[in-house]
Amino acid sequence: EAGVAQSPRYKIIEKRQSVAFWCNPISGHATLYWYQQILGQGPKLLIQFQNNGVVDDSQLPKDRFSAERLKGVDSTLKIQPAKLEDSAVYLCASSLRDNYFSGNTIYFGEGSWLTVV
Amino acid sequence: SQQGEEDPQALSIQEGENATMNCSYKTSINNLQWYRQNSGRGLVHLILIRSNEREKHSGRLRVTLDTSKKSSSLLITASRAADTASYFCATIGGSGNTGKLIFGQGTTLQVKP
Repeated sequence: EAGVAQSPRYKIIEKRQSVAFWCNPISGHATLYWYQQILGQGPKLLIQFQNNGVVDDSQLPKDRFSAERLKGVDSTLKIQPAKLEDSAVYLCASSLRDNYFSGNTIYFGEGSWLTVV
Repeated sequence: SQQGEEDPQALSIQEGENATMNCSYKTSINNLQWYRQNSGRGLVHLILIRSNEREKHSGRLRVTLDTSKKSSSLLITASRAADTASYFCATIGGSGNTGKLIFGQGTTLQVKP
């Protein structure tokens, strides 16, 4: 079974530039997540989709970050304009459904490493 | 915001020894999960323990949960060099929480061969 695919794996941009990350979840997984992981910290949820609808985007800096999952499958996360503090790993993850309380396993991609200089 | 706090932040042991990592959290939970992250890689789910469970085993892993103390521990027995990684606890909230998975800061484990 193919895992969660992410691209690009690495990106270096200058501050105020824009960047986009792409994620293809595991086939059949309805729920898709984007996490931000700053070096030395645990992942922080940016946005959660259920099919193509947003379930939680409370920690997404909406003035510069946007995400979409138009057809309920793959997703893109965009940062515009980037700041130095956006340097982090952006992890995409997916799960079969959104019922956390039944203990759905969440599968993570390898991450997209962003350095803003 | 981070919910879990792992202790210690870093742990270095010899191969064959046991490794114990602790996690404390602040609010009520439905379940608590442990993940492993190898350097430069994504997170891998290890084990889940529900709020009504006190102990769970999976291979060389043993997880305990004490909801009265809002804490959990992960024990890795007979450690191997391949266990070198960062370990994170993550909690799913109880009532009033949308089910968001909240991670702690992690414990970095180094197992020396």
